[in-house]
Amino acid sequence: EDQVTQSPEALRLQEGESSSLNCSYTVSGLRGLFWYRQDPGKGPEFLFTLYSAGEEKEKERLKATLTKKESFLHITAPKPEDSATYLCAVQGGGADGLTFGKGTHLIIQP
Amino acid sequence: DAGITQSPRHKVTETGTPVTLRCHQTENHRYMYWYRQDPGHGLRLIHYSYGVKDTDKGEVSDGYSVSRSKTEDFLLTLESATSSQTSVYFCATGATEANYGYTFGSGTRLTVV
Repeated sequence: EDQVTQSPEALRLQEGESSSLNCSYTVSGLRGLFWYRQDPGKGPEFLFTLYSAGEEKEKERLKATLTKKESFLHITAPKPEDSATYLCAVQGGGADGLTFGKGTHLIIQP
Repeated sequence: DAGITQSPRHKVTETGTPVTLRCHQTENHRYMYWYRQDPGHGLRLIHYSYGVKDTDKGEVSDGYSVSRSKTEDFLLTLESATSSQTSVYFCATGATEANYGYTFGSGTRLTVV
């Protein structure tokens, strides 16, 4: 059974204070690891897909990295508009659909 | 959420009644999914479809059925609603098997009283 654990559950940062969110996973035959952003009352918004250990992807102030056991979402010099819940998900070799973690609720204070 | 419309956005229904939620896409995506999102559980897969009339069960399919008679429409039916099915339901679509990420709808908030 595929499993995804995200930490911390919640994180409060000051504007400009860089940090990282963690996603630990166990999966049989990783086909992809996904990061989404979710704003209150809305559906998740796709950010990145990572396929293999060592891969990195960037988008504005966000950078996602992947190892064989975990992924990190690094947030550099965040702004209040980066406040959201960040979801991590995996697709395993035998899975249909994605297995999601519970998310990290990020608050950036001005 | 461009290209995916979920209806209704909000619904309150009574225990024991059937309920149908609709997902309509204009992306011509082959794959469509229904997830539910609950506090403390994250998003969980209910059912999915890999083509017209081709559907399969997900992790939490008990008490739910689906139908897909056209590429653009994927219906989720709660056969006899229970309070445990109070949740936010999200539809998602994908051109391939998630490789490039799903596109999610805005969700339907369902309350069963």
